[in-house]
Amino acid sequence: SAVISQKPSRDICQRGTSLTIQCQVDSQVTMMFWYRQQPGQSLTLIATANQGSEATYESGFVIDKFPISRPNLTFSTLTVSNMSPEDSSIYLCSVEDPNSGANVLTFGAGSRLTVL
Amino acid sequence: GENVEQHPSTLSVQEGDSAVIKCTYSDSASNYFPWYKQELGKGPQLIIDIRSNVGEKKDQRIAVTLNKTAKHFSLHITETQPEDSAVYFCAASKTGRRALTFGSGTRLQVQP
Repeated sequence: SAVISQKPSRDICQRGTSLTIQCQVDSQVTMMFWYRQQPGQSLTLIATANQGSEATYESGFVIDKFPISRPNLTFSTLTVSNMSPEDSSIYLCSVEDPNSGANVLTFGAGSRLTVL
Repeated sequence: GENVEQHPSTLSVQEGDSAVIKCTYSDSASNYFPWYKQELGKGPQLIIDIRSNVGEKKDQRIAVTLNKTAKHFSLHITETQPEDSAVYFCAASKTGRRALTFGSGTRLQVQP
């Protein structure tokens, strides 16, 4: 299955700053997804990022707060802007695995952000 | 949109016992139902999945059953081992919407 690398794995950030999370995949994939997992909670979809088009955001998430780039078929970034303590979460990159069939998602290890 | 409910939120079993986790979904168009295991500090890992054209699937000690009429599916783990201790998530998706909608998770603890 696809191997996903996320950077940073964790960070401590100050309120009001922004942080960009990188997601690198070892194979070309069409569909990439960004999820948020708040402490002790489930996974919530932030947006779907397809190469060559604007990201599609879920209800409750906006581009100004979570801008996403998808410059090619193996890479994406998610920026968490103007952070507040409520943004403390694990942010997970996910891809639809091209070798495993439709809808089968593989996840990265996540980026754990703590906002002070 | 799709809503997935998962029960129980926590489950404690003795090593060697069976564990069952149940999920219900709301969208009758959903046709793909995976289960993920998440260990501390790691991303979710797919352990088994089922599509709507089958009612049951097994992989060694793990099985998933699907009841489309009732819109629920379950994860069964037999002969549990301490290394099965983790958080388990069910999820659902459908053709045309590739993203998964997740249940709330079940923390399984297997007591040695």
